[in-house]
Amino acid sequence: DVVMTQSPLSLPVTLGQPASISCRSSQSLVYSDGNTYLTWIQQRPGQSPRRLIYKVSIRDSGVPDRFSGSGSGTDFTLKISRVEAEDVGVYYCMQGRHWPLTFGGGTKVEIK
Amino acid sequence: EVQLVESGGGLVQPGGSVRLSCAASGFSFSTTWMHWVRQAPGKGLVWVSRIESDGSNTIYADSVKGRFTISRDNTKNTLYLQMNSLRVEDTAVYYCVRDNYYSIDVWGQGTTVTVSS
Repeated sequence: DVVMTQSPLSLPVTLGQPASISCRSSQSLVYSDGNTYLTWIQQRPGQSPRRLIYKVSIRDSGVPDRFSGSGSGTDFTLKISRVEAEDVGVYYCMQGRHWPLTFGGGTKVEIK
Repeated sequence: EVQLVESGGGLVQPGGSVRLSCAASGFSFSTTWMHWVRQAPGKGLVWVSRIESDGSNTIYADSVKGRFTISRDNTKNTLYLQMNSLRVEDTAVYYCVRDNYYSIDVWGQGTTVTVSS
């Protein structure tokens, strides 16, 4: 199975400051169609997960533009340009290139 | 509005069985692959199973293979997960999730299965 490794495990951030989460896959996530199937998911406390970004950098409808995704091959990053209180929660990366689908262990974003 | 609503969870004894349901609405369920993903208490997300749109092909995580069966009724817009020979380690919130071409996009609210004596 493809192992997804996230860092850091916990990310205390000051409101209004940037935050960055790293995700590394044990195999390339590039598919033969040229797309890279890396997804970012947010889970706020007590809520169901919600997809934020797919194919590395495409934001879902309604996702604020302070969220951005980047990367290629096996190394990916989720950035929040200015953290707001509603961004508190756990963020997961997920790969869809190989079966089974696998998730990173999660990064907990909290306010300092 | 796209919606997934799970039901059927509860307290089950080890070795017991339970069937989860997921009612889908707001999209073309019969042409969409679907998944189950679970989350143990305080833990991360783990993919469990996937079924193709017509139910012809299914795949499972090794941890549930031979014990769980995913199925669907496209006439009722409903996804199922039959869970047999349950173990304590199957205790989790189970989410019904819509496939979106090498990604998953819409999640239900989840249903909790607790396996305990």
